[in-house]
Amino acid sequence: EAQVTQNPRYLITVTGKKLTVTCSQNMNHEYMSWYRQDPGLGLRQIYYSMNVEVTDKGDVPEGYKVSRKEKRNFPLILESPSPNQTSLYFCASSLGPAGGYNEQFFGPGTRLTVL
Amino acid sequence: AQKVTQAQTEISVVEKEDVTLDCVYETRDTTYYLFWYKQPPSGELVFLIRRNSFDEQNEISGRYSWNFQKSTSSFNFTITASQVVDSAVYFCALSVKSQGAQKLVFGQGTRLTINP
Repeated sequence: EAQVTQNPRYLITVTGKKLTVTCSQNMNHEYMSWYRQDPGLGLRQIYYSMNVEVTDKGDVPEGYKVSRKEKRNFPLILESPSPNQTSLYFCASSLGPAGGYNEQFFGPGTRLTVL
Repeated sequence: AQKVTQAQTEISVVEKEDVTLDCVYETRDTTYYLFWYKQPPSGELVFLIRRNSFDEQNEISGRYSWNFQKSTSSFNFTITASQVVDSAVYFCALSVKSQGAQKLVFGQGTRLTINP
């Protein structure tokens, strides 16, 4: 089954404790991205990757890191989480750049709470 | 600015009523795509429709219909004879070019509640 998986689905952590949210897709998609969803703001792009070893900042990259060492995986790293990073996070992948004719496939979401 | 505005934060209707969710967009691109996504209470994002800027035909899919009007930069979504299962947050999104890549810009979302 074609899918995007994220782990963990729920995470409660404390300020400053490094964490990684994993994202994996099995569709051989080149393009992957991370979004965060906050009430009243919709989804905003954090980082995206157009292929292996090619990543770039989205609209709200501060406090986040990503890596793309393999085509299928695109982990999101919070080196020193803060309470303002409490949010719902979505990973997405598509055959080509997001938008255009390339439908984005979204993961199930990761709800992160930073105390 | 390239953005999407969903002015209706929350809508509540009684089952079987028709309801329209508004979406207004701004873009400087001449070619672009518009999308609607549904987010049910379980939290996942469900793709509903994609429309390109050259195709202004309205689309109907069962109880769902979409009205795309370039003249008013709107891409509104109507649910006919609403059902409780339609309760969800609905997002309108626009594809934009940014830093050599394309990405999706989402509206704020409209929370739709269908009451029995």
